[in-house]
Amino acid sequence: DIQMTQSPSSLSASVGDRVTITCRASHTVSTYLNWYQQKSGKAPNLLIYAASSLQSGVPSRFSGSGSGTDFTLTISSLQPEDFATYYCHQTYNTPFTFGQGTRLEIK
Amino acid sequence: QVQLVQSGAEVKKPGASVKVSCKASGYTFTGYYLHWVRQAPGQGLEWMGWIKANSDATYYAQKFQGRVTMTRDTSISTAYMELSRLRSDDTAVYYCARSSSGTYYEYDYWGQGTLVTVSS
Repeated sequence: DIQMTQSPSSLSASVGDRVTITCRASHTVSTYLNWYQQKSGKAPNLLIYAASSLQSGVPSRFSGSGSGTDFTLTISSLQPEDFATYYCHQTYNTPFTFGQGTRLEIK
Repeated sequence: QVQLVQSGAEVKKPGASVKVSCKASGYTFTGYYLHWVRQAPGQGLEWMGWIKANSDATYYAQKFQGRVTMTRDTSISTAYMELSRLRSDDTAVYYCARSSSGTYYEYDYWGQGTLVTVSS
């Protein structure tokens, strides 16, 4: 199975900050890497697919990059509604696997 | 609009089975895959497997093989996930999620989740 490791596991930041979350795969996943945002008690919401493609309706302050084994999710200017948990998810090989999540908290 | 509406919360005893439904609307049901993902309380997301709605082909994560069965009824645009021989560590919210085929299997729509509690 491909292991997905996110860093950091948690992060405190302020409104307006630029934030980067990293996801590393134990084997190449090409660009089969998607990012989700999950707020407490809600289903996850797709932000980025294919490593760098912005899902329709998602604000442009979210961006993704990377290929192979190393990926990043960047939020250019944090807004109050962005405080949530973020997950990367590889769909290159089954079983599809998620990172452990990065909890983004208000400083 | 696309919607995935799941069945309600369940409480089961250890050793029992649970069957969760996921009713799709607003799109052509047979044109997509449905995946099942679970989340234990306070934990991360765990992928369980998928069913291809137009052929009932399935793929299950090895962890669940032998205990999980994913089916669908195209006449009512509904997918099902049945988990048997339940244990306390199966207590979780179970989500269905839609993905296209031939893409990056991104989940653009999710059900609202079904809480399954396993307790004696």
